[in-house]
Amino acid sequence: ETGVTQTPRHLVMGMTNKKSLKCEQHLGHNAMYWYKQSAKKPLELMFVYNFKEQTENNSVPSRFSPECPNSSHLFLHLHTLQPEDSALYLCASSQDPGGAGDRETQYFGPGTRLLVL
Amino acid sequence: DAKTTQPNSMESNEEEPVHLPCNHSTISGTDYIHWYRQLPSQGPEYVIHGLTSNVNNRMASLAIAEDRKSSTLILHRATLRDAAVYYCILRARGGGADGLTFGKGTHLIIQP
Repeated sequence: ETGVTQTPRHLVMGMTNKKSLKCEQHLGHNAMYWYKQSAKKPLELMFVYNFKEQTENNSVPSRFSPECPNSSHLFLHLHTLQPEDSALYLCASSQDPGGAGDRETQYFGPGTRLLVL
Repeated sequence: DAKTTQPNSMESNEEEPVHLPCNHSTISGTDYIHWYRQLPSQGPEYVIHGLTSNVNNRMASLAIAEDRKSSTLILHRATLRDAAVYYCILRARGGGADGLTFGKGTHLIIQP
């Protein structure tokens, strides 16, 4: 148990559906992240939120829309996805944006396994 | 973040020490060396990090070369539960809340 939870753990959706992934951290951290892990590819950073403000969008298509209503919750809204978007979506948090060493350690949730049909 | 190079895979026997190498010849003076691992069907988890001196914690040890161009993660007594992909990642001090840059890592196989 890392203190970062993600729901749902598994999701199957059609290309015309709209769904949302939820992440919650119970660690009192100030930064939250979305990563994508496709089969046989390294983890890719998608979005970074720092004190609820988006600080990085790693050239992610607009069919992925993040939302961070507070420093404990992070959502990834999905619409009109493509089959190649099928992947493991991981959420992470860290304590102190701009910190060093210990305060930069990222804690990951278990991920949501997404299948787009 | 500077680039790291790791072997694609390594194999070891249970209850033996494992030394996982990482080369980072372009490391800068302010880069921390972080190690994460990802067990099957789980998200990555932090293992250890260091700057210049060798580091120990309950999970592993990190040996850093004097010129800092390479490092080695040491699992002192591997168990089957240590089978995972291990990632060596450089992070600039004060690098901000930017994400981690993962490579392909080393797939560690533990034989019983």
